[in-house]
Amino acid sequence: DSGVTQTPKHLITATGQRVTLRCSPRSGDLSVYWYQQSLDQGLQFLIQYYNGEERAKGNILERFSAQQFPDLHSELNLSSLELGDSALYFCASSVEGQATDTQYFGPGTRLTVL
Amino acid sequence: GENVEQHPSTLSVQEGDSAVIKCTYSDSASNYFPWYKQELGKGPQLIIDIRSNVGEKKDQRIAVTLNKTAKHFSLHITETQPEDSAVYFCAASKGGSYIPTFGRGTSLIVHP
Repeated sequence: DSGVTQTPKHLITATGQRVTLRCSPRSGDLSVYWYQQSLDQGLQFLIQYYNGEERAKGNILERFSAQQFPDLHSELNLSSLELGDSALYFCASSVEGQATDTQYFGPGTRLTVL
Repeated sequence: GENVEQHPSTLSVQEGDSAVIKCTYSDSASNYFPWYKQELGKGPQLIIDIRSNVGEKKDQRIAVTLNKTAKHFSLHITETQPEDSAVYFCAASKGGSYIPTFGRGTSLIVHP
């Protein structure tokens, strides 16, 4: 158990809908990362937050947004969903949000868009 | 930016054999190299990491070697067991940056 929690574990929705994925980092970790993993694909970095502020952005679509709250939990919002958004979405956390920190991954949310 | 290439994409071995997965990186300033194991239906978990001030690190059946001159690092698993079957990701990062660069992953299959 990494100490990172993600909810829900599974999400099934229709095209055009909007969903929210939630992540709670390990106790003491200030930074949260979001990754997308499609079938047989690697980990695609989406966005990073550190202590409530956006720190780095990857290949995140404009339809996607995220935020980190004062209690350090984070939410990833996906809107106008398309079939191609079906994937595993992982949250990871680290202490200081530096690339040389160990990242601890949550169990993921499996999103299926029908 | 950094580019990490990982080979092979799939590796099939018999139980008890050794397995080696290799990654090359492009940025000579990279100085932290973790390896993650992702079991089916789970998130990646760190299994071993190495920093650029050492050439090798070992933890029981797992070892990582680093060749800074050639800019490559490798994961070695000895006496493989069926529970080693998983996808393994390497990554490279450097101080002052925020995001590690991950390899595309290697699916290791250990046949009993």
